[in-house]
Order: sequence, then structure tokens, then C-alpha cells
Amino acid sequence: DAGITQSPRHKVTETGTPVTLRCHQTENHRYMYWYRQDPGHGLRLIHYSYGVKDTDKGEVSDGYSVSRSKTEDFLLTLESATSSQTSVYFCAIRGDRSTGELFFGEGSRLTVL
Amino acid sequence: GESVGLHLPTLSVQEGDNSIINCAYSNSASDYFIWYKQESGKGPQFIIDIRSNMDKRQGQRVTVLLNKTVKHLSLQIAATQPGDSAVYFCAENRGSGTYKYIFGTGTRLKVLA
Repeated sequence: DAGITQSPRHKVTETGTPVTLRCHQTENHRYMYWYRQDPGHGLRLIHYSYGVKDTDKGEVSDGYSVSRSKTEDFLLTLESATSSQTSVYFCAIRGDRSTGELFFGEGSRLTVL
Repeated sequence: GESVGLHLPTLSVQEGDNSIINCAYSNSASDYFIWYKQESGKGPQFIIDIRSNMDKRQGQRVTVLLNKTVKHLSLQIAATQPGDSAVYFCAENRGSGTYKYIFGTGTRLKVLA
């Protein structure tokens, strides 16, 4: 158990509304990640963070913003949700071994109507 | 461009047989590779990893082979069991301290009784 909690686990919202997903970790890891998973696309990196206030874009960052004001929380925000953002969102943290595999949360299923 | 892909979207294997799941990657600078298993409704779970200075690494019933010449990665599962039924992903880390993990689209493994 890597101590990762995602919230909410399920959310249904309407097009044009803002949505924030939260990833919380209890083990003080430096690197945190947001991925989305869609059929036929696997896991695609949205944004990642390498420290407090340090973030970078991934493969599919358009329409998403992130914030990390403290080590344990990494927030993913959809400023104005669109139907194309209906997906399952996974948060991950990087382990502290020299190689550093990722540990994933259980996912947040977002439906944009 | 950046891509990590899989040759076969679905693999059906008889229980007790060995399974081989393949993955191609495109970036020769990648220095670390991971295999993940994802069961329905759950987040991906780490199986095994390998660094680019190795050709082979063995775990419990699993072996990862890395061929840097042709940029190919494979996961071998010995004596496949019903519990091995899942989607398997390969992922690459671009290296150079970026810790940016790019995933393939996934292969579904079905174990036939």
C-alpha cells in the first residue's frame, strides 16, 4: 500500500463546469503524476510534479491544470469540462528506489455529460 | 515522436502454458522500463522492471527481456494461471532525470481453462 488516496472516486458533471480531482499521499514522495485512461489509448500522462510548486506537462495536458502547494496533495483541475474529458483518472507516485517504479491510486471515474 | 506500443491487443493462453507479451519502444534514450498488470476496476500494479544496462531480469514466474538493438521489450509469464488474466502495460522512463513515464496501450491476457 503506497498510501495514495484519490477523491472523488466517481463524479458526474455537466459540460462547462469546473472539476477538481485530488490526489493525497501519506509517504512524502517527491514525484506525483496524473494519467488518464481511455479504451484504445492506455494510460496517457497529463501532468506531473517533481516537488512543491514544480510541475510539468505530459502528453495530453491541454484543458487541464495542476497545482501542488504541499508535498502530500496534487490537484488536477478541469477549468471547463468537456465530454472528451470523460475518462478514468489515475494518480501515481514515484517510489524512492534508485529505479523508482510508479505506484497508482485506485482511479477516479469522471463522466462529463 | 514519443511512443511505446504493443504488438498484440489480446492474447489468449491455455492455463499452464507460458505467455509472452511484447512491447516496442521508440526512444533510444529511455533507460528504465516497467511492466504493469491491471485488473478490472483497479489501478495498475507493478510486476517487474529492468534498467537499460541489463538484458534480462527474472522475478517470481515472470521474466523481462530487453533488446535495445531493436527497441523491444517482452514479458514472459511461466505456467500461466487464471489469476494472470488482466491487461498488461509496458512503460518507459525517458531518463536523464526527467522521470517522465510513458505507457503503451496495453495487451489483454486471457487465460483459458
